[in-house]
Amino acid sequence: GEDVEQSLFLSVREGDSSVINCTYTDSSSTYLYWYKQEPGAGLQLLTYIFSNMDMKQDQRLTVLLNKKDKHLSLRIADTQTGDSAIYFCAETANQAGTALIFGKGTTLSVSS
Amino acid sequence: ETGVTQTPRHLVMGMTNKKSLKCEQHLGHNAMYWYKQSAKKPLELMFVYNFKEQTENNSVPSRFSPECPNSSHLFLHLHTLQPEDSALYLCATSRGLDAGELFFGEGSRLTVL
Repeated sequence: GEDVEQSLFLSVREGDSSVINCTYTDSSSTYLYWYKQEPGAGLQLLTYIFSNMDMKQDQRLTVLLNKKDKHLSLRIADTQTGDSAIYFCAETANQAGTALIFGKGTTLSVSS
Repeated sequence: ETGVTQTPRHLVMGMTNKKSLKCEQHLGHNAMYWYKQSAKKPLELMFVYNFKEQTENNSVPSRFSPECPNSSHLFLHLHTLQPEDSALYLCATSRGLDAGELFFGEGSRLTVL
């Protein structure tokens, strides 16, 4: 079955770069996603990458995809205290319905 | 404001109570989902509805009963729950089942005593 693995916690200082890593199992996923959950809120789509891409950059965010190793990472440059949140990696399920399969989420804590 | 509203935001219930969680969307989306979020566990997909028809029941115990009366509303009826059912229940919608972007509500925090 599908499985998405993430480390649970990451702590960085304001201004540093943050790198959140994820491994997934379903090589047929067309897209891979990063969602962000701020305290007391639901999840919001942060960015996504098409499976035939290696890298996608969007302002302070860089997504790297290594299909061979089934490894996805999210890099946040110049991390700010407002980036403190839980970050979820997600892949599309391979069965009918294409509902997303999420990891446990990585809690990013940014200290000033 | 994501266009997906969940009520109540917080609910405390005893194991013998019957209660319902409500989700309402104003996005015109066709697919609606219930997810369960527990600490240190992956987000668990519970139910999927597409055009008001249930397309997926992810081995959820029968004490959770979903209902989708129309394309704007989704309910989760709760009956004879267990303390381990305490969690944040998230409703989400998408344009269709093949759309990767989910729009989430803020969740209903359920505590079962």
